Amino acid sequence: RKEVEQDPGPFNVPEGATVAFNCTYSNSASQSFFWYRQDCRKEPKLLMSVYSSGNEDGRFTAQLNRASQYISLLIRDSKLSDSATYLCVVNSLDTGRRALTFGSGTRLQVQP
Amino acid sequence: GAVVSQHPSRVICKSGTSVKIECRSLDFQATTMFWYRQFPKKSLMLMATSNEGSKATYEQGVEKDKFLINHASLTLSTLTVTSAHPEDSSFYICSARRREREKLFFGSGTQLSVL
Repeated sequence: RKEVEQDPGPFNVPEGATVAFNCTYSNSASQSFFWYRQDCRKEPKLLMSVYSSGNEDGRFTAQLNRASQYISLLIRDSKLSDSATYLCVVNSLDTGRRALTFGSGTRLQVQP
Repeated sequence: GAVVSQHPSRVICKSGTSVKIECRSLDFQATTMFWYRQFPKKSLMLMATSNEGSKATYEQGVEKDKFLINHASLTLSTLTVTSAHPEDSSFYICSARRREREKLFFGSGTQLSVL
């Protein structure tokens, strides 16, 4: 089982739609969680951190469920510019080996 | 905000040559830097984790003699692709963080093309 799993997509949605991505992680010792956005051939950029209480930034809402070990990202009122790959990133406490684990990313394509 | 500078942004080289890529944290001291590669339309693949002053930890399947990583200071890590071959052509990205559990800051990436 992969440490961090995401649905690869692509998710093809019309403008204005609401879309949700889920990400599951296997390491219960994971401490920090992030969503990154990556445009084609560009470096990933931090979209938002994910807090236990859930957090919202404009049209984006991130939630964490520690009991079920999953993270979600909700995008409301999708824009064409939201088209990108969204990466789920999990930071565990295993400092002796890889501490950061990336999901494989979920591709979103917003269509006019 | 924190800035990570990666250089060069693009390099084209002949097969058999070695290529060095630099990753610098410009306004913070990075205790840990990470190196990734990305093939077209694929997600990032972590290659190695580099801690200042110690040997890098390589991911399974990544040849340490092929991809030399040096993290000599708290602001600089280098990745050297030795005796590059066309199959090494890829997009290489570095990232850095100040401390555990803190956010990552990414370089802008290096597109390597080996002819």
